[in-house]
Amino acid sequence: QSVLTQPPSASGTPGQRVTISCSGSSSNIGDNWVHWYQHLPGTAPKLLIYRNNQRPSGVPDRFSGSRSGTSASLAISGLRSEDEADYYCAAWDDSLRGWVFGGGTKVTVL
Amino acid sequence: QMQLVQSGPEVKKPATSVKVSCETSGFTFTSSVMQWVRQARGQRLEWIGWIVVGSGNTNYAQKFQERVTITRDMSTSTAYMELSSLRSEDTAVYFCAACTTTCSAGMDVWGQGTTVIVSS
Repeated sequence: QSVLTQPPSASGTPGQRVTISCSGSSSNIGDNWVHWYQHLPGTAPKLLIYRNNQRPSGVPDRFSGSRSGTSASLAISGLRSEDEADYYCAAWDDSLRGWVFGGGTKVTVL
Repeated sequence: QMQLVQSGPEVKKPATSVKVSCETSGFTFTSSVMQWVRQARGQRLEWIGWIVVGSGNTNYAQKFQERVTITRDMSTSTAYMELSSLRSEDTAVYFCAACTTTCSAGMDVWGQGTTVIVSS
């Protein structure tokens, strides 16, 4: 089954830059938009980045996204304590004809 | 503001069914696509299916094709997800999410989640 691969964890000190990778295939990231979601357990997930690199209204410009080939990445610059959360990438998969998600990356602010 | 409010937690016996509701507000329900996603403990988010509210057309993940039914009630701006033949592996938090404009712009509003526990 096509899925997206993320590192399970990432960390940084306040003010640092953290980057999270998301690896897929030609049937998902390679051919479709990538979206990123922020999730604090027990709350509703939040759309953070859409269409690879677009921020919804209200999302700080500390968050940025990019895509190259069959991989994507999310960068958090100027890391803050409130950024501690799980981050998921997602993309439509043409082969599965459905949405696929990454396994999630837990960001810890040291 | 845009909001999705889901029904409360459920405890179900194996082989029974569960129906979770998702009441919407703050956006044009009839123009949206309502998604259902679940997350078992320690697992990734897993897409279940969607309904195009205006047309009622549905699309289900192959894994759930035989067991899930997603519906909507336009009079109350509410979407529903019913999962039948429950088994222990269906224990998870179930989320509804909406593409309020187009799904190419992501699922831009999510519900708070509904815990479903399947246990004998």
